[in-house]
Amino acid sequence: GENVEQHPSTLSVQEGDSAVIKCTYSDSASNYFPWYKQELGKRPQLIIDIRSNVGEKKDQRIAVTLNKTAKHFSLHITETQPEDSAVYFCAVEPDDYKLSFGAGTTVTVRA
Amino acid sequence: DTGVSQDPRHKITKRGQNVTFRCDPISEHNRLYWYRQTLGQGPEFLTYFQNEAQLEKSRLLSDRFSAERPKGSFSTLEIQRTEQGDSAMYLCASSLPDASSGNTIYFGEGSWLTVV
Repeated sequence: GENVEQHPSTLSVQEGDSAVIKCTYSDSASNYFPWYKQELGKRPQLIIDIRSNVGEKKDQRIAVTLNKTAKHFSLHITETQPEDSAVYFCAVEPDDYKLSFGAGTTVTVRA
Repeated sequence: DTGVSQDPRHKITKRGQNVTFRCDPISEHNRLYWYRQTLGQGPEFLTYFQNEAQLEKSRLLSDRFSAERPKGSFSTLEIQRTEQGDSAMYLCASSLPDASSGNTIYFGEGSWLTVV
């Protein structure tokens, strides 16, 4: 199956600074790369996604970049705020129907 | 709320008992998924349905687990003879694949299972 590695496992940033999370994957046929945010006891919520026909996508303070050659993609959060504190999961869709998730990154934004 | 709903949200059961979880997907979504998530890990795929047909089952899904989606709408996940290792959050998700927007998967709030 697809192997997705996510780094770092924890990330502490000062409010207003940027946060970057990186994921690598193994299946070169993968073509869909979503990011989910999960707050404690809540559902994973899709925050941004990218497909393999683009290299970068931005939505306000969140951006995702994709390097298919190197098989890695990254989540960038700028101007972090306390409400950005959560666990973030990258995922890869190696088949048409299921997602393989990374182990998650716990982001803490210090006020 | 028109999102994916799951019931019950929490279940504590004794080892050896059977439990059943229900999932109601987003209306008109033809795909329904079950994932399992343990503390500190990402969700792991268990199985999925296209309408009423169960098209794939992960090897994580032992013989004690069975999932159904009889009418292509809601789904149930039953765990028989529960073991302590079954303690986890069971997430249901649904999607409606589209040629232009792809297959965006939406999760429910999950059903927490604790086996004591």
